[in-house]
Amino acid sequence: DTAVSQTPKYLVTQMGNDKSIKCEQNLGHDTMYWYKQDSKKFLKIMFSYNNKELIINETVPNRFSPKSPDKAHLNLHINSLELGDSAVYFCASSPIGRGNEQFFGPGTRLTVL
Amino acid sequence: AQSVTQPDIHITVSEGASLELRCNYSYGATPYLFWYVQSPGQGLQLLLKYFSGDTLVQGIKGFEAEFKRSQSSFNLRKPSVHWSDAAEYFCAVGPSGGYNKLIFGAGTRLAVHP
Repeated sequence: DTAVSQTPKYLVTQMGNDKSIKCEQNLGHDTMYWYKQDSKKFLKIMFSYNNKELIINETVPNRFSPKSPDKAHLNLHINSLELGDSAVYFCASSPIGRGNEQFFGPGTRLTVL
Repeated sequence: AQSVTQPDIHITVSEGASLELRCNYSYGATPYLFWYVQSPGQGLQLLLKYFSGDTLVQGIKGFEAEFKRSQSSFNLRKPSVHWSDAAEYFCAVGPSGGYNKLIFGAGTRLAVHP
């Protein structure tokens, strides 16, 4: 059973389009995250939700909008895609509490042409 | 500000050789420290974690790490590397800002020669 799953695995699209990435976890965790990994493999947090409430919102363009319909799902919608949005996006989840292990999904490779 | 430095971008070792990956952190209080591994095309998997107690931490796949507060370091070691250990390794520190936010280092790519 996949613990943290993301769809799609690959996403190729044109500049200016709007796209969504979906994430689901079946671990029963309260907290979910979105990370962006750039072409140099640098990994940076974008957002975190705890039980559907936004708790971390890094300096991310407002073209990025996370949505958590329930605590098992955290989707990422991106409007007006730009070339610089090309990256691998990882979803993760963890139990509530400081210092708990984060479990990562397999990633979604987004390529903007 | 919290930060993590992994001085080695790329390391190559021979199969069976020992390995040490370096990690230095900057953190205002006692940190949680993590090592994650990312195999090609995969997500990140936790190797080990430290918060308190014994400063030598054992992890999965035969890895261990030692926390040295005086050096602000948390280096990852393995006595004998296997070809399957070739991957990207990330050190992380947290939490930051009152939540379970991790700050990651830039990663070290490990190549293993047969």
